[in-house]
Amino acid sequence: EPEVTQTPSHQVTQMGQEVILRCVPISNHLYFYWYRQILGQKVEFLVSFYNNEISEKSEIFDDQFSVERPDGSNFTLKIRSTKLEDSAMYFCAITGTLPNEQFFGPGTRLTVL
Amino acid sequence: AQSVTQLDSQVPVFEEAPVELRCNYSSSVSVYLFWYVQYPNQGLQLLLKYLSGSTLVKGINGFEAEFNKSQTSFHLRKPSVHISDTAEYFCAVSETLTGNQFYFGTGTSLTVIP
Repeated sequence: EPEVTQTPSHQVTQMGQEVILRCVPISNHLYFYWYRQILGQKVEFLVSFYNNEISEKSEIFDDQFSVERPDGSNFTLKIRSTKLEDSAMYFCAITGTLPNEQFFGPGTRLTVL
Repeated sequence: AQSVTQLDSQVPVFEEAPVELRCNYSSSVSVYLFWYVQYPNQGLQLLLKYLSGSTLVKGINGFEAEFNKSQTSFHLRKPSVHISDTAEYFCAVSETLTGNQFYFGTGTSLTVIP
């Protein structure tokens, strides 16, 4: 099973600040995904990223969000100006060897004050 | 669009008793189905998946699920639960053709009572 780590495990920030969440797959992958889970709610898709481009995004993924793969290994999610409602658990996922398998990282808990 | 319904938000069950966690989905296209488990303060771990073939799939930790196309269901079962099974369980679907994003249910909190 592919492994992926996420840093930091917990991020606390002030409203209006920028945050960068990182996802590091153990081996080489082409497909990446970000999901978020607001406390007590379901996991929601944010964006998928293939071959250094966004392939699909949800309506949640507005202009304040961006993704990139700056150095060919890390995959980052940036929130430009955080809002209180951005407080959530953010999960990175990668695909497995079989189609439509996704393996999730441990998540980053973002708290916006 | 796809949607996933997990009718039971909380399921308490005594240790060594059987359990069934229900999942129904709605989709106009063919889908793959998944169950994930989330232990406290951890990420999502794949329990099992249905991609094709036998409708009864077996996963880790003694769990199994049955895909029922006519009832659009994918219920998760375990014949005898342990304390360590206490966790949040999520059902998810993805389209077979595009499969780019997963659609999750709201989750079922399983509490195993000693």
